[in-house]
Amino acid sequence: EVQLLESGGGLVQPGGSLRLSCAASGFNFHSFAISWVRQAPGKGLEWVSTVSGSATNTFYADSVKGRFTISRDNSKKMVYLQMNSLRAEDTAVYYCTKDHPYYYGLGAIFDFWGQGILVTVSS
Amino acid sequence: EIVLTQSPGTLSLSPGERATLSCRASQTVSGTYLGWYQQKPGQAPRLLIYGASSRATGIPDRFSGSGSGTDFTLTISRLEPEDFAVYYCQHYDNSRWTFGQGTKVDIK
Repeated sequence: EVQLLESGGGLVQPGGSLRLSCAASGFNFHSFAISWVRQAPGKGLEWVSTVSGSATNTFYADSVKGRFTISRDNSKKMVYLQMNSLRAEDTAVYYCTKDHPYYYGLGAIFDFWGQGILVTVSS
Repeated sequence: EIVLTQSPGTLSLSPGERATLSCRASQTVSGTYLGWYQQKPGQAPRLLIYGASSRATGIPDRFSGSGSGTDFTLTISRLEPEDFAVYYCQHYDNSRWTFGQGTKVDIK
């Protein structure tokens, strides 16, 4: 059974940092891209970042580029999102997602989602 | 940058009725990279459709996707009580991922 479990969320002051973690199990981890998608309170879904299965390639939304860094450790089946210079508009539930196998690790469409973790940026 | 516009914003229907949800892209896109998700309150989204028309594992056949070019449609043939939720379309192109703003299907 595929499982994605996020951790590391919480309350942080504007300008602060936080690192989210995603623990994966139940699938061939290194073969799949992993992405972070967020949802601000009462709003829609926004793609944040993606890392390829080999960790060779990383991609970021313009809204977080230069502030967030995605990484993965295939030996531990973990993905991380380091979030620096946080702003109030980064307040959201952050979901860890896995790409659908039809897309051969491209990360194009998300077939499994974690339960999400809340990040609140406020003074 | 591709923008996905979903309509209507809210669809008020009764159980047993047919729901037709639209997703329009700002330019021609490949249906291969078009997906639909369902999200219920307090839950993570769930993949329904990928490749514009292929149902994800375990998705009932009352859900179907269609379309090409700039216009894509999610159809729920007969609404069940558990289908009242928010639906999002999503597209991938050249290392950019885009979601529509969502359509809420609520009980009339």
